[in-house]
Amino acid sequence: EAQVTQNPRYLITVTGKKLTVTCSQNMNHEYMSWYRQDPGLGLRQIYYSMNVEVTDKGDVPEGYKVSRKEKRNFPLILESPSPNQTSLYFCASSRGGEWTEAFFGQGTRLTVV
Amino acid sequence: AQTVTQSQPEMSVQEAETVTLSCTYDTSENNYYLFWYKQPPSRQMILVIRQEAYKQQNATENRFSVNFQKAAKSFSLKISDSQLGDTAMYFCAFRYNFNKFYFGSGTKLNVKP
Repeated sequence: EAQVTQNPRYLITVTGKKLTVTCSQNMNHEYMSWYRQDPGLGLRQIYYSMNVEVTDKGDVPEGYKVSRKEKRNFPLILESPSPNQTSLYFCASSRGGEWTEAFFGQGTRLTVV
Repeated sequence: AQTVTQSQPEMSVQEAETVTLSCTYDTSENNYYLFWYKQPPSRQMILVIRQEAYKQQNATENRFSVNFQKAAKSFSLKISDSQLGDTAMYFCAFRYNFNKFYFGSGTKLNVKP
C-alpha cells in the first residue's frame, strides 16, 4: 500500500530535550516536506526536500532541522524544543511536476511542556 | 508572496443539501495548481479535487466540483448532496513551484442529520 508513515503519532516532551520525528514514504517520490498545523493558521511549510541531500527552508524553519540521506526518509529534528513548537506536524511527499498532489502522513501531535 | 484565504472559519449544512466553501488566493504566477484537501477528525489529509490553472473547465469529482475564476483568483468548492461523512476541516491549497504548497486557514464543515 502506498503511504507516508510518521512516527510517533503523539509525543509529549520537555523544553530543551532533543527529539526526532521520523517520516518514510514507499512511493519513490522525489519531493518531501514538513508542515506544522496550528488553529487559524492552516498548514505552514517548515522545510522541503527536492531529492537526496537537497533541502531548503520553507516559511517557518526556525528551531527545526532536517536531513535527506535516503530518498524514502525525511526526519524532522528539534534540537531544543520550546513550548511554541507545540503543534500538529505533517510529513508529505509528492512526485515531480507541479500538477501532482501531496500525500500526507497521519500527523504527529507534539506537546512541549 | 503567495497567500491563500479562506474567509469562512466554520459552516453548517443539512444532510442532502448543497454547500459552497470559498477560497481566494493571491499570486503573480501564471501557471499554478489548486487543490482542496479534507481533514476528518482522524487528522488524515485527503485530496478532494484539484484544478490546473491553465484549464478553463472546472474540475469535478462525483459530488464535489469547483468554481475556478482565474481573473478573480477564486477557487470555491461545491459539495452536493452533503453526507454525514463530509464533516471535516477543508483546506484550500496552492502549488506553483516544485514543492512549495501554500494552504489556507481552513473551513470547518459540519453536516447535520
